[in-house]
Amino acid sequence: QKEVEQNSGPLSVPEGAIASLNCTYSDRVSQSFFWYRQYSGKSPELIMSIYSNGDKEDGRFTAQLNKASQYVSLLIRDSQPSDSATYLCAVGNGGATNKLIFGTGTLLAVQP
Amino acid sequence: DAGITQSPRYKITETGRQVTLMCHQTWSHSYMFWYRQDLGHGLRLIYYSAAADITDKGEVPDGYVVSRSKTENFPLTLESATRSQTSVYFCASSALPFLAGDEQYFGPGTRLTVT
Repeated sequence: QKEVEQNSGPLSVPEGAIASLNCTYSDRVSQSFFWYRQYSGKSPELIMSIYSNGDKEDGRFTAQLNKASQYVSLLIRDSQPSDSATYLCAVGNGGATNKLIFGTGTLLAVQP
Repeated sequence: DAGITQSPRYKITETGRQVTLMCHQTWSHSYMFWYRQDLGHGLRLIYYSAAADITDKGEVPDGYVVSRSKTENFPLTLESATRSQTSVYFCASSALPFLAGDEQYFGPGTRLTVT
């Protein structure tokens, strides 16, 4: 059973701090990795994708991938109350099916 | 630019009734997906489609039927609704992998309650 694991949280950080969200996956052949943000009652919104080992930065967001450790993380710098949401990690095998396996998400609460 | 839409947004139905959830995308994406999201289970794939007239089962297909006669539409039918199918249903789409990776984009969701 291919799995994607996340700590359900809640992860509480003060405004302006760095929030660190973590995800591990079990399928070693995974090729693509995504972070989605989901506000309560809304649909998942893609915020980051990463395909190679290392860091990828986009504004206040940095995704980090370590395929050897089967670990992917999302850092949110200068956290804002508007960042409060559930963050879903998703992993794809890069094959012909385009299927993704989703973790159950980490709830982030940014305290003003 | 409508992107991906779902209808209805909210639906209440009775046990045993047939109900169809609609999904429409304007991006001409090849792949379309149906997920259900339940507390404690996250997003679980019900069915997916690689192109018109090509569909395949996901993780939790029992009790559901899909069709895809046109690239832009991917309806999901609950043949005989059960209370365990009360959930939030999301449709998603993605382009061909060699064009844009396998990023998936989600519709707004349908909240279905089976009484």
